[in-house]
Amino acid sequence: GENVEQHPSTLSVQEGDSAVIKCTYSDSASNYFPWYKQELGKRPQLIIDIRSNVGEKKDQRIAVTLNKTAKHFSLHITETQPEDSAVYFCATFSGGYNKLIFGAGTRLAVHP
Amino acid sequence: EAQVTQNPRYLITVTGKKLTVTCSQNMNHEYMSWYRQDPGLGLRQIYYSMNVEVTDKGDVPEGYKVSRKEKRNFPLILESPSPNQTSLYFCASSATSGVTDTQYFGPGTRLTVL
Repeated sequence: GENVEQHPSTLSVQEGDSAVIKCTYSDSASNYFPWYKQELGKRPQLIIDIRSNVGEKKDQRIAVTLNKTAKHFSLHITETQPEDSAVYFCATFSGGYNKLIFGAGTRLAVHP
Repeated sequence: EAQVTQNPRYLITVTGKKLTVTCSQNMNHEYMSWYRQDPGLGLRQIYYSMNVEVTDKGDVPEGYKVSRKEKRNFPLILESPSPNQTSLYFCASSATSGVTDTQYFGPGTRLTVL
């Protein structure tokens, strides 16, 4: 079945630096790639998503890039702030099964 | 306020005692699902429902049941809970009968089975 690998599992950066989280997937038919942010003790919330007909999407300080040939997509956060500290999950849409497959998550810590 | 609600938020129970976790959404969403979250494993789907009376298994359905008798409600039933079902559970919903819409998650239910 579909598998999503997410790296790194933990990431520590200084405030103002950039952070990059990468996910690889196995199903070449995947066509939807969302990213969710989960703050400590809170529910996951969608922060950005991309569809397979687009290579890059940006929303202020966050961006997602997609490489369908290599079957990987990445989340880029620029000018990180302490409030960016959270667990980030990537996901792909398993087309044959109408469900999202999530990565294991990346715990990002932004230090002032 | 548009939201997904779950009850209870915290539950400690014993092995074998049937329990139900309720989930309700007020956004008229068609798609609802249940996930469990365990450290290092991310979010794994238990069951999902594309509409009333339509449910299907996710990746980890063993030991769980669901029903979708009304559009707004999607309860998760553990007929005979076991310690390996200790986890953080999230209900989620999205507007259409698919997952390529934004998933709105409930606040979570932390379940401990002793």
